[in-house]
Amino acid sequence: SQTIHQWPATLVQPVGSPLSLECTVEGTSNPNLYWYRQAAGRGLQLLFYSVGIGQISSEVPQNLSASRPQDRQFILSSKKLLLSDSGFYLCAWSLPSTGTNYGYTFGSGTRLTVV
Amino acid sequence: AQSVSQHNHHVILSEAASLELGCNYSYGGTVNLFWYVQYPGQHLQLLLKYFSGDPLVKGIKGFEAEFIKSKFSFNLRKPSVQWSDTAEYFCAVNTPYSSASKIIFGSGTRLSIRP
Repeated sequence: SQTIHQWPATLVQPVGSPLSLECTVEGTSNPNLYWYRQAAGRGLQLLFYSVGIGQISSEVPQNLSASRPQDRQFILSSKKLLLSDSGFYLCAWSLPSTGTNYGYTFGSGTRLTVV
Repeated sequence: AQSVSQHNHHVILSEAASLELGCNYSYGGTVNLFWYVQYPGQHLQLLLKYFSGDPLVKGIKGFEAEFIKSKFSFNLRKPSVQWSDTAEYFCAVNTPYSSASKIIFGSGTRLSIRP
């Protein structure tokens, strides 16, 4: 069966420090991968998505970047964190789109607090 | 661009009351529609989904949703809520056959059930 792992669960970082959040998927090949940020009262905002290794699409301009060095690995990064980067970050995967008769499966999330 | 509106930010009901959470989307073409639920301290999980066919969709835990194309709506219903339904509910939409099958979420509705 497919599983998705996301870590760390909680992170407190000072302003200006770098960030690296990792997400890995097991049990499937060539998944679509997604990074979302969940802010209170604002739902889930799509940040990045990837349909293959090295293929990253950004949905909103921001201080963050994403990379996909391996088929089932998706990394969210920042060189210098801002206070506004605080939030709850969710990774998700779905099967490659051929009609998309599937929803997403979400990871457990990372609560990032920038201080 | 697609968007999803959930007009009720916080709904408070007593046990056994009936529930209807509103969801409207903006997109003129064919869509897939989803309701996700996030129980306190748990992962986001799929409640139900609509792709085609019968516009009345039944999901887990007694929930159902009706797709009304003319109203661009996909409201969530449950005839009798329980205390355990306390959670945050997200409506979402994506377009089939797109390369990345991005799902766009609404801002969420927090449901609180009084025992």
